[in-house]
Amino acid sequence: GIQVEQSPPDLILQEGANSTLRCNFSDSVNNLQWFHQNPWGQLINLFYIPSGTKQNGRLSATTVATERYSLLYISSSQTTDSGVYFCALNYNTDKLIFGTGTRLQVFP
Amino acid sequence: EPEVTQTPSHQVTQMGQEVILRCVPISNHLYFYWYRQILGQKVEFLVSFYNNEISEKSEIFDDQFSVERPDGSNFTLKIRSTKLEDSAMYFCASSDLTGQTEAFFGQGTRLTVV
Repeated sequence: GIQVEQSPPDLILQEGANSTLRCNFSDSVNNLQWFHQNPWGQLINLFYIPSGTKQNGRLSATTVATERYSLLYISSSQTTDSGVYFCALNYNTDKLIFGTGTRLQVFP
Repeated sequence: EPEVTQTPSHQVTQMGQEVILRCVPISNHLYFYWYRQILGQKVEFLVSFYNNEISEKSEIFDDQFSVERPDGSNFTLKIRSTKLEDSAMYFCASSDLTGQTEAFFGQGTRLTVV
């Protein structure tokens, strides 16, 4: 089956720093989403981005489907950005396959 | 903004008991899903449901699990005889027509089996 790998697994930042999270996948996909899992466990939709670039405030994402990766950029990080970031994708089925996540901790 | 809602937010149950987790998907969505996340691990697919039947299920979704859409708004996951290893966060999700467009997740039900 398709492999979804995220890097880095852990990231520690000071408030105000920028970061790039990466999602690599092993085959072509129909759909790719980024989620933020907050400390209460809720999965928050960040981006639906099967290809191209999108921006939402301090966050932006780029998917290069032909090269099988997606990047999530967080600028001017805040303590509320802490949590786990997952990419998830559809591969010829309806189910989403989740990556292993990047755990982000932002300190004041 | 439309959202997926799940109840209860927390459930504690004794081993061997039956539990029903409830979800109200987004109203115009036609595809419904259950996922689970064991503490500290990644989110895993359990089952997808479309047109009143299961369209896909994982190997985790064995005979102790069942899903139902009892009316026009609710979508439920039943675990018939809970085991300790069923302790996890369970997420309901829904998506619109094609099933391969953006999926929206509920806030989760944390199930603890003691």
